[in-house]
Parts: sequence; structure tokens; C-alpha cells
Amino acid sequence: ILNVEQSPQSLHVQEGDSTNFTCSFPSSNFYALHWYRWETAKSPEALFVMTLNGDEKKKGRISATLNTKEGYSYLYIKGSQPEDSATYLCAFELAAGNKLTFGGGTRVLVKP
Amino acid sequence: DGGITQSPKYLFRKEGQNVTLSCEQNLNHDAMYWYRQDPGQGLRLIYYSQIVNDFQKGDIAEGYSVSREKKESFPLTVTSAQKNPTAFYLCASSIEPGRPRYGYTFGSGTRLTVV
Repeated sequence: ILNVEQSPQSLHVQEGDSTNFTCSFPSSNFYALHWYRWETAKSPEALFVMTLNGDEKKKGRISATLNTKEGYSYLYIKGSQPEDSATYLCAFELAAGNKLTFGGGTRVLVKP
Repeated sequence: DGGITQSPKYLFRKEGQNVTLSCEQNLNHDAMYWYRQDPGQGLRLIYYSQIVNDFQKGDIAEGYSVSREKKESFPLTVTSAQKNPTAFYLCASSIEPGRPRYGYTFGSGTRLTVV
């Protein structure tokens, strides 16, 4: 079983502050790294799918970077808003398998 | 609108009974997946199917069974052999294997409680 770890498990952010958190994954047999946002009572929603070392993706105030050689990805939230409160999941896609192994998630609570 | 429908949202069953969770998609996706979430843990893969009439075990397949007779449907049966069936179950689909750029589409989940 592959080991995908996210840290921290949870964090509280003041509205307007920026934050970031980490996903660690195996550096061998890499195919893709996914990020999902999961709001309470909703379905997880795909944010990014990253495939290349050094890749950076951005969606509004949320961005992500990828380092496949050392096996980590960062997700950044700039100027956090209450609507950013959610659990953020990363998932590792093994080469040619197309099945995802998920980390435990980082639960973000943005306080007004 | 295209999406994935999981039903029911909440399900209660007595211990020892088999129960089937429904997952239907109208996205024309080839691949479908079942995940389980327990408190404090990440999503764990139960079964997945990349094509009709074919499916593979995931990391925690014991006590579960699936079928994939139609592209749109991937029902999960939780059998009495599953030791800890109480959990939140999520179904997902993806456009086709080997094309990761679009990510997965998820259903809204079924919370199963066995009493």
C-alpha cells in the first residue's frame, strides 16, 4: 500500500491571511498528483491534476506546486476567505494505474 | 446536468445482512471507483472498474463485491463478511484510464450504519 501523507491534519486561518500545507508521496513510479477540495455536505471537487516536475497550477486564490524528485506538493491559499473552509485532499496516481491513493487530508477553517 | 448519483444518502442495516449501495453516472466515463472513509482516515480504495464487465480489487476489498454490467452503473454490495461495515462510502468516475488531467468526479456519498 502506497504512503501518501498530508500535514498538518488541520489548521485555523484568520480571514485575509495566506496559508499553505503539504502532501508527501512516493517519488518513484510517479504518474500524477491530484488535489481536491471537499466542503462539508458536498462532493469532493477536483482542483488540480499535476504531472510534471516543477509544475505550478493556479485557480483563483489557490495554487499548487509539484516536486516529483523529492516527492512533495504544496497547496497555497492566498488571502483566505470563509468559503475556503474545507478539507483539502491530495492523491497520488501510480504510473499507468489510474487508481488514486489519497492522503488523510488537511482540514482548513477560515475564521472571520 | 451530468454527474454521479449515489443512493441512498443514509442507510441503516442490521448486522449480518447484505446491503447494496447504488452508484450511477451519466458522464460517459469509462472508469468507476468505490472508496470508503472512516473517521480520521483518508479515502481507501475498495474496488475499481476501468471497463464494462471488468473490475479489480482495491486495497480493502475483503467483505465487498461489485458488478459492472453497464457503463453507467457500478453497485457495491457490503456483505456480512465485512467486519466493520459502518462507514461513509464514496463513488467516483474518471473519463478513461491513462488520462489523468481531468481528475475524478465524485458522488455525494452514502453513510452506512450497521446496528
